[in-house]
Amino acid sequence: QKEVEQNSGPLSVPEGAIASLNCTYSDRGSQSFFWYRQYSGKSPELIMSIYSNGDKEDGRFTAQLNKASQYVSLLIRDSQPSDSATYLCAVPNQAGTALIFGKGTTLSVSS
Amino acid sequence: GAGVSQTPSNKVTEKGKYVELRCDPISGHTALYWYRQSLGQGPEFLIYFQGTGAADDSGLPNDRFFAVRPEGSVSTLKIQRTERGDSAVYLCASSRSDRLTGELFFGEGSRLTVL
Repeated sequence: QKEVEQNSGPLSVPEGAIASLNCTYSDRGSQSFFWYRQYSGKSPELIMSIYSNGDKEDGRFTAQLNKASQYVSLLIRDSQPSDSATYLCAVPNQAGTALIFGKGTTLSVSS
Repeated sequence: GAGVSQTPSNKVTEKGKYVELRCDPISGHTALYWYRQSLGQGPEFLIYFQGTGAADDSGLPNDRFFAVRPEGSVSTLKIQRTERGDSAVYLCASSRSDRLTGELFFGEGSRLTVL
């Protein structure tokens, strides 16, 4: 069973809309969750981390965590064409030594 | 350098050949990771170094894959008897912490194509 599941998309939204990206994880003991953004042909970069149930906001980005449902999401408000990328959800492996990534959701924001 | 540097950026080889991929992490970063990423997939963990030692090599797919970091800085991923299924982008990442914080700094990757 995969540890991190994401819908691969593509998710298409118009400029200015809210983009909602979702991720589920299998290890109920996971304590930390990360969102990475990967532009086409580039390497992943960390954009958000969340550790507690609820919402965490950073500019136009909001991460939401629900540990009971084993669900973490990323909301992007006022989406811009420059937000078009693949968004990767990641959690630590059971050993706590490395991150396990989902396959990513591709977001396309049209102007 | 300012970021994680990986060489070569592209490598084309024939099935059965030996390949070495190099990673130069951010100066002062003690943790170093190797991942590989196939098209349409997320990065797949291969091996983690803390200093000179491989602290977790559970992601290496088989004994054709080996990695070293002899002086605790530059690392080399070595692949013997390459197979077509080894074709992927090999990503190196480093982190300043001796424990996993989730903030990994990735290099631009080495794209390996096995013909």
